[in-house]
Amino acid sequence: NAGVMQNPRHLVRRRGQEARLRCSPMKGHSHVYWYRQLPEEGLKFMVYLQKENIIDESGMPKERFSAEFPKEGPSILRIQQVVRGDSAAYFCASSPPEEAYEQYFGPGTRLTVT
Amino acid sequence: SQELEQSPQSLIVQEGKNLTINCTSSKTLYGLYWYKQKYGEGLIFLMMLQKGGEEKSHEKITAKLDEKKQQSSLHITASQPSHAGIYLCGADNNDMRFGAGTRLTVKP
Repeated sequence: NAGVMQNPRHLVRRRGQEARLRCSPMKGHSHVYWYRQLPEEGLKFMVYLQKENIIDESGMPKERFSAEFPKEGPSILRIQQVVRGDSAAYFCASSPPEEAYEQYFGPGTRLTVT
Repeated sequence: SQELEQSPQSLIVQEGKNLTINCTSSKTLYGLYWYKQKYGEGLIFLMMLQKGGEEKSHEKITAKLDEKKQQSSLHITASQPSHAGIYLCGADNNDMRFGAGTRLTVKP
C-alpha cells in the first residue's frame, strides 16, 4: 500500500504564475488535509476535505488559494498569482473515514516563488 | 531517515495533575515541533524549539529541547479536559517526520 504521494516535490514559479500541488491519498482514505509550513515555523492547517466536499477551510487565505478533492483523482491545492510570501513547504495528509486521528503525511511540495 | 519515538503511547490523568510526554530522535535534532490534534481536526501547531536547552511555554504547556540527548519533553501543568487529544512531535530534515503520537485523556 503506497503512502501518501505528493507531486511535484519541488516547484518553482515566478510571481504572478499559478501553482498546482497534487496529493494522492493512501488507498481507502477519503479525507485529506492540507498544511503549509513557512520557513522557521510549524505546520499550519489550511483545509480539510472529503471527496467532493470542503469540510473546514478556516486556515485558507481568503484570496488566491483554493482546494478540491474530486470524486476521481488527486486532491489539488491551487494558488493563483503567486507571490514571494507563498514560498513554503505544503504538506498533505490523508486519513481513513473511520479514524480521523490517523493522519498519514506526504513528503511535501516545496514551492519557491522567484 | 530520522525516526521519532514518543512515549508514552497513551496517558490517562485526573484533571489537575501534571504530565510529561517525551520525544526521542534517532538522529541529531536541529529543530523540533510540537503539535496537538483533536479528533476530526487538523494539527494545531503548539511550538517550535531550535536550540539546545531552549524552553518555550504556551499557556500551561511547556516544552524543552535537549540536543545532547536528542530529546524533547512536553509538560502540561494542572491538566484540563481541554488538553485532551493526541500530541505529536515532528522534525524536518528535508522530509517532515512525526512521532506516532501520545493520546492524552483527562478525566474530570
